[in-house]
Amino acid sequence: AQSVTQLDSQVPVFEEAPVELRCNYSSSVSVYLFWYVQYPNQGLQLLLKYLSGSTLVKGINGFEAEFNKSQTSFHLRKPSVHISDTAEYFCAVTPRSNDYKLSFGAGTTVTVRA
Amino acid sequence: DAGITQSPRHKVTETGTPVTLRCHQTENHRYMYWYRQDPGHGLRLIHYSYGVKDTDKGEVSDGYSVSRSKTEDFLLTLESATSSQTSVYFCAISGQRSHYEQYFGPGTRLTVT
Repeated sequence: AQSVTQLDSQVPVFEEAPVELRCNYSSSVSVYLFWYVQYPNQGLQLLLKYLSGSTLVKGINGFEAEFNKSQTSFHLRKPSVHISDTAEYFCAVTPRSNDYKLSFGAGTTVTVRA
Repeated sequence: DAGITQSPRHKVTETGTPVTLRCHQTENHRYMYWYRQDPGHGLRLIHYSYGVKDTDKGEVSDGYSVSRSKTEDFLLTLESATSSQTSVYFCAISGQRSHYEQYFGPGTRLTVT
């Protein structure tokens, strides 16, 4: 079984400041890792994914994440946020086997202020 | 955007009544999923389907049943709704070649009074 811990439930940040959202996971098998974003009153949209290869992955809207296998972490970063980045962000994992099931963290709400 | 629709988008129902939520996809994807989203819990898998008439339970399946009679439709039924099933329900799909990458519908907000 897999579990995901998002270490911050709320992150307030000023516009144009950097932001980091922390995600740790636990799994007895190798996993794929994802970050999803949910804008108010909408469904989830895939932000980026780590499957293999370079541990630094780039996603949409200027976000990037770094996979750290030894620390079992997959932290999300953006160097300069905009008001439009206000949303809830979810970290998720799925086993590399044919399991198909995503395990999600509880979510981090990012509020960007002018 | 992936072609996923959910209906209804909002529903209020009374305790003890049956409720069916529908997920419809136009992508011809093999895998379909139902999640519920609750504050502090993220999304939790209720049931999933890996083909027509092939379904299996997720981590929070009690009180829910599903059916998939054709590729494009995946139905979630609450046989007798309870207040604990008040939630936002999301459908997701994924394809054969990249089954790990799921695309989500817009959600259904269900309130059980």
